[in-house]
Amino acid sequence: QVQLVESGGGLVTPGGSLRLSCAASGFTFSDYYMSWIRQAPGKGLEWVSYITSDSTVYYADSVKGRFTISRDNTRSSVYLQMNSLRADDMAVYYCARDSAVAGARFDLWGQGTLVTVSS
Amino acid sequence: DIQMTQSPSSLSASVGDRVTITCRASQSIAYYLNWYQHKPGKAPKLLIFGASGLQSGVPSRFSGSGYGTDFTLTISSLQPEDFATYYCQQSYSTPRVTFGQGTRLDIK
Repeated sequence: QVQLVESGGGLVTPGGSLRLSCAASGFTFSDYYMSWIRQAPGKGLEWVSYITSDSTVYYADSVKGRFTISRDNTRSSVYLQMNSLRADDMAVYYCARDSAVAGARFDLWGQGTLVTVSS
Repeated sequence: DIQMTQSPSSLSASVGDRVTITCRASQSIAYYLNWYQHKPGKAPKLLIFGASGLQSGVPSRFSGSGYGTDFTLTISSLQPEDFATYYCQQSYSTPRVTFGQGTRLDIK
């Protein structure tokens, strides 16, 4: 079955760290670029980070220097290490597959994992 | 950053209605515009890519149009399962994509 399954969300205090995982199945993971996209409570979708198939990485300005995206093609997984978490990082985090050759098109998403930042 | 502005922010309609949602980019993005449907607790779903391409498996009542800065998503005859929030997303500045703020479509 073609799917993405996120895990690793939870409650963390401000300044804390969390590592999100996204496990892919049903397709050749190494062929695809991947992204993390989040949705804060009551807000819209916000792109967070992006990784190419050869691990070139990109970040939104709001998380640059605090978050690190990585992938393990042998495990068909992408990760998001989140450090120095702030209240405004609280959101549902989705991993998404980019299916386009030019211009990101997210054709497969996970169900999301909730990150709560609170003291 | 390229800003994406959707209108309206919310919309009430009835089953069978024809509905149009608009998305405007702060600069020209050619045809690099995608549309998604998002229901609470579910994964977002790609509907339209490249402004007018229908994603595989998406019903033909969904259509997209536009080029440059102005785009529309049209649902020709609303079905009960179409009530959701819709987002546009520009991919012109990939990988730094941006989304519109969303349009919530409710049952009248």
